[in-house]
Amino acid sequence: SQQGEEDPQALSIQEGENATMNCSYKTSINNLQWYRQNSGRGLVHLILIRSNEREKHSGRLRVTLDTSKKSSSLLITASRAADTASYFCATGSASGSARQLTFGSGTQLTVLP
Amino acid sequence: GVTQSPTHLIKTRGQQVTLRCSSQSGHNTVSWYQQALGQGPQFIFQYYRKEENGRGNFPPRFSGLQFPNDSSELNVNALELDDSALYLCASSLDPNTGELFFGEGSRLTVL
Repeated sequence: SQQGEEDPQALSIQEGENATMNCSYKTSINNLQWYRQNSGRGLVHLILIRSNEREKHSGRLRVTLDTSKKSSSLLITASRAADTASYFCATGSASGSARQLTFGSGTQLTVLP
Repeated sequence: GVTQSPTHLIKTRGQQVTLRCSSQSGHNTVSWYQQALGQGPQFIFQYYRKEENGRGNFPPRFSGLQFPNDSSELNVNALELDDSALYLCASSLDPNTGELFFGEGSRLTVL
């Protein structure tokens, strides 16, 4: 079963615009990660935010985490056609087995040139 | 990086399959994930120091091995149609939930 739910399921924007994707999860976490996947290929790690952090930046990426609302958002600024991909949030549990990541079902981002 | 083989394969129901993975250099932890079409990856299991170190909600016909060089195999017996998916191997420095480095996956089709 999926822990997280990404919203929206699909997003289409013009090059240069910002893209915002949201993730909600159900159980307590010790970290939340975002991954990117180009069509049917492997996942690439983008950013990790720990449960005691509220915001993190990496290049054009900005991630926020609100543990009280069990939600996170990923902002991609000044998007490019090459950003077209599926984006997944993944949570590492704070209890039970800390050894697995639980992924959401993803947001398909299309950036139009 | 992480390499997986084969990239694509087709099997029939009831057969057995072995998928292989070479970890990123210096990584001693390997995790396997199953990704059905249009879904996020689902955790199968993790191997650390050649022992299974956590397992998701998958039946015993999914099994694995980790070798002294930290490469890994995923074996699936008695294939079912629902086993058709992309199987992803990921290595990490740490057996806990740090950053994962994924391979490109093995696309399995069961007919």
